[in-house]
Order: sequence, then C-alpha cells, then structure tokens
Amino acid sequence: DTAVSQTPKYLVTQMGNDKSIKCEQNLGHDTMYWYKQDSKKFLKIMFSYNNKELIINETVPNRFSPKSPDKAHLNLHINSLELGDSAVYFCASSRPGRENTEAFFGQGTRLTVV
Amino acid sequence: QKEVEQNSGPLSVPEGAIASLNCTYSDRGSQSFFWYRQYSGKSPELIMFIYSNGDKEDGRFTAQLNKASQYVSLLIRDSQPSDSATYLCADSGYSTLTFGKGTMLLVSP
Repeated sequence: DTAVSQTPKYLVTQMGNDKSIKCEQNLGHDTMYWYKQDSKKFLKIMFSYNNKELIINETVPNRFSPKSPDKAHLNLHINSLELGDSAVYFCASSRPGRENTEAFFGQGTRLTVV
Repeated sequence: QKEVEQNSGPLSVPEGAIASLNCTYSDRGSQSFFWYRQYSGKSPELIMFIYSNGDKEDGRFTAQLNKASQYVSLLIRDSQPSDSATYLCADSGYSTLTFGKGTMLLVSP
C-alpha cells in the first residue's frame, strides 16, 4: 500500500519534448507538493496545492504546469524540455496546510533530458 | 523567503560515536522543524520533528531547537554504518517545507 506513488520512476527524453509525471496519494491529505532535487541534492519546492488549489508557485518556468484533478492527484506537465530540467522530481503530501505537518514523499522520478 | 543553512559535509564519524548535525534558519518567526534522512537514490523519510525550545529524544536520535539562536541540531548516538545518508533539515511553513541542502554523514565500521 504505497502512500504516495509517482510514475514513471525513470524518464529519459530528448530536448524539446513534452512529458508528464503523475502523482497519487492515498493518505487522505489535502496538501500536495512538487519538489525538484538537483544534482547537488538540493530539494527545492516548486508547487504546493491545497485541496486542488494552487497555494505556492515558486519561481519556476511556465513550461512547468501542475494539474490537480482531485485532491488525491497532482500531476506535473513539462513542455519543451531543456537539458537543465534534468533532475529528480519528488511528489509529496501532507495534512491541511499549516505548520507542524510532516510531508510524505513519493519515490521520485529521475528525469534525464538528452 | 525562508532559508535553511546546513554544512554539506561529509561528516565522518566512527561506528559507535555521536554524530552531530546542525542547521540554522533565517525566519525568526518559524515555529517547527523537521529532520529527514535520505539514502542515495531514495526519497526523504522523516526522522524527527521539533517545535519547542530544548531537546526532544527518540531512541538514538535527539533533536535540539534554540529559537533565540535560530539553530536546530540532530544528535545521533551510537552511530551505525546504516546511518550513513544525507540528513535534511526543514523549516515548516504554511503549505510548504523549506529544506537545507543537507549534510552527508558517513559512519565507518
């Protein structure tokens, strides 16, 4: 029973392509996130959604577009992929947005743009 | 914009020693903090959280928070080779966790 699952686990694609990463959580959480972890292992917030509404949108190119069809799903679509997009992308979820909330992470999607 | 600073390491300790991991944070109003452990190629997993000044102990792990100094630490007693990982300190805010860059810990047998 995976709590936060994301697919695919690995994604290799060419520059200029469009790709999507899917994320689902079965924890009943209202808040979901996308984080990007670069080659130096820095984990940086990209987006935060609370009950399907965008709460946080950090300085991310508009080629990245999150979609939340319901509060259990938060997908990430990336247009016109660039070499610099290569990273590990983590989906996470937590209880309703407030402090003192643990975030549970998916297994990550390693994106390689060639 | 919250910032969390950690020494990237690696911090090398022998098996059985105490490992001390530290982080500082920028937002004086921050209330709660999390320590995550991340093994290479894996996702972060929560070790401890702390939101009160002082110490919080859980097994071999002790988290310490000093809000006046804006300082958080994690002590690992009786370090084991299986503790070798990157440890991420996170500042909890509204609908987000702000992470430090992590400290790599290496425990040698």
